[in-house]
Amino acid sequence: DTAVSQTPKYLVTQMGNDKSIKCEQNLGHDTMYWYKQDSKKFLKIMFSYNNKELIINETVPNRFSPKSPDKAHLNLHINSLELGDSAVYFCASSQAGRGAPQYFGPGTRLTVT
Amino acid sequence: AQSVTQLDSQVPVFEEAPVELRCNYSSSVSVYLFWYVQYPNQGLQLLLKYLSGSTLVESINGFEAEFNKSQTSFHLRKPSVHISDTAEYFCAVTHNYGQNFVFGPGTRLSVLP
Repeated sequence: DTAVSQTPKYLVTQMGNDKSIKCEQNLGHDTMYWYKQDSKKFLKIMFSYNNKELIINETVPNRFSPKSPDKAHLNLHINSLELGDSAVYFCASSQAGRGAPQYFGPGTRLTVT
Repeated sequence: AQSVTQLDSQVPVFEEAPVELRCNYSSSVSVYLFWYVQYPNQGLQLLLKYLSGSTLVESINGFEAEFNKSQTSFHLRKPSVHISDTAEYFCAVTHNYGQNFVFGPGTRLSVLP
């Protein structure tokens, strides 16, 4: 019944490593997103993606890359992890269309040591 | 470009007291407005939304928000809070021409016994 799921829930890794976070939605939505929530709870959009277009927030380092094997999945790959990448990452999805609400996954807490 | 302001970073209130969480936005175009709630260690959940029509919108758990175009506000209110309402509350805006949300910095509501 889970609408938007993410794995893993917690991820602890060392600087310089490469890691991935998986996201799946079973809502039939057209668009998926990745957000970063910092330690002060501030939410920042990183990417939005549908089957036509990837929109990248220009402030996101190119070490971050979304990969979508199909419409229900949007994974986040992070290369050469840095201490500043420590945060909670949320996946979300929505229908296409103006004003469509976004539905969020439970989050992945990434800790880089 | 849009922006969202939540002037109160923290709001402590006693159980059964009323509460108002403030949200102001700026946008040069028509907007859609949302309130999300984040309980500890969880993802964001949609609380309520304003798309069009009646400016007063309600959620199933007693919260309501009123869209005021002249004051560019979308304040969230509840007449009597419970301990279980303790959470982080985020106001968000999206505009008429796209789906990307802009979130406010959040307001931490702490309900005290």
